[in-house]
Formats: sequence, C-alpha cells, structure tokens
Amino acid sequence: QQQVKQSPQSLIVQKGGIPIINCAYENTAFDYFPWYQQFPGKGPALLIAIRPDVSEKKEGRFTISFNKSAKQFSLHIMDSQPGDSATYFCAVVGAGSYQLTFGKGTKLSVIP
Amino acid sequence: KAGVTQTPRYLIKTRGQQVTLSCSPISGHRSVSWYQQTPGQGLQFLFEYFSETQRNKGNFPGRFSGRQFSNSRSEMNVSTLELGDSALYLCASSPGGSSNQPQHFGDGTRLSIL
Repeated sequence: QQQVKQSPQSLIVQKGGIPIINCAYENTAFDYFPWYQQFPGKGPALLIAIRPDVSEKKEGRFTISFNKSAKQFSLHIMDSQPGDSATYFCAVVGAGSYQLTFGKGTKLSVIP
Repeated sequence: KAGVTQTPRYLIKTRGQQVTLSCSPISGHRSVSWYQQTPGQGLQFLFEYFSETQRNKGNFPGRFSGRQFSNSRSEMNVSTLELGDSALYLCASSPGGSSNQPQHFGDGTRLSIL
C-alpha cells in the first residue's frame, strides 16, 4: 500500500508564482517529514524538514505547512524561479525506523 | 565538508553477473542507507546500516545485500543480475543517533543491465 500520497504529479507555474505540493500520509507513527529536490543526473538534495510538534517551518523561500490532525503536509515555494525547476519528493520517517518512505514525486516547471 | 560519495557513477553489466557499489558517507556520519530509484517504482528503501550492523531492511530479494565497514563506508552487492535491476542506486548518510535526523544523498550509481 502507498503510505505517502503526493500531488500533483506535475506543475507548471510562471516565474514569481507560488507552487504548492501536497502530501498525505496514513500512519500516525511518523515523526519526521522532509522534502527533497532532485535535478536530472543528481541525487535528491534535502530542502527542508519538519517534526510533528511544529505546524509551520520556513527556510528562505521554502515553507512547510504541517497538519497533524489531517495527516497532511505541504511545500510552498515563494517567488519561484526557473532554477527551481526540478522534481520534488516528500518523505516520511517512522519513529525509530531510519527508513525514508517517499512520495512519487512532483515535476515542477517554472517558466520565465 | 565533503558530501556523500558514490562510486562508480555508471556501470553496465549483463544478466547473471554480480555487482558491488560503494558509498563513502559524510565525515562523522555513522548511518548509511541505500535506495533504488526507477521511473516506475520511484524511490524505494533497500537497507540501513549503523556501526557495521544492519538495522532495517526493505522488501527486496536476498540477491541484494550490503555491509558497512568500521570507517562507516558501505558497499552494496547485487548478485545474479536481472534486467529489472536497472536503476539509479542511491546512498544516504546521517549521524544515525536518532531517526529524525537529516539524511543526505550522494549522486548515485546508474546501473544498466543488458
């Protein structure tokens, strides 16, 4: 079964727009929620992460919103740039498991 | 500080052969995890090692194995290669003391099976 559902699969926004990527999870035992950015030919790079005791976290232009009761979390990219065009993955980690379970990814294209 | 280093970057093998991939973690990191990335299945967890011990294992057949050395470097071995093993194999490292610590990835080894 798919433990993490990520949407949308692809997203096109204009430069300066605010793309939002959503993830929903099923298991309440997860305790770490990172987002990764991947460019072609590269490994995933950690962007930002949140723990379930916090509802929002900002780092630069990236913000995670976390809704524990709804079991959802989302990534917002402020003032998006063409250089942000990449595939974004959400992930979850269960307490004590050390295993990242990933969503299927969202391909973001930011057009000038 | 150097990142996670994976070697080789590219490999071409034929069915039935075996292959060994190598991963050097970030200095000071004691946990190394391996993932397989394919277009169809996405990113899937293979296994995780900490202080030379496998702590966690994903749902892959026994042909996939790994080990970790005392300097935290890790190797992954795949025996009796099948066409479906063609994938990008990624290694991630973290300090390892807690499950909610950041994991940082290398750029992977692209394995192609002919």
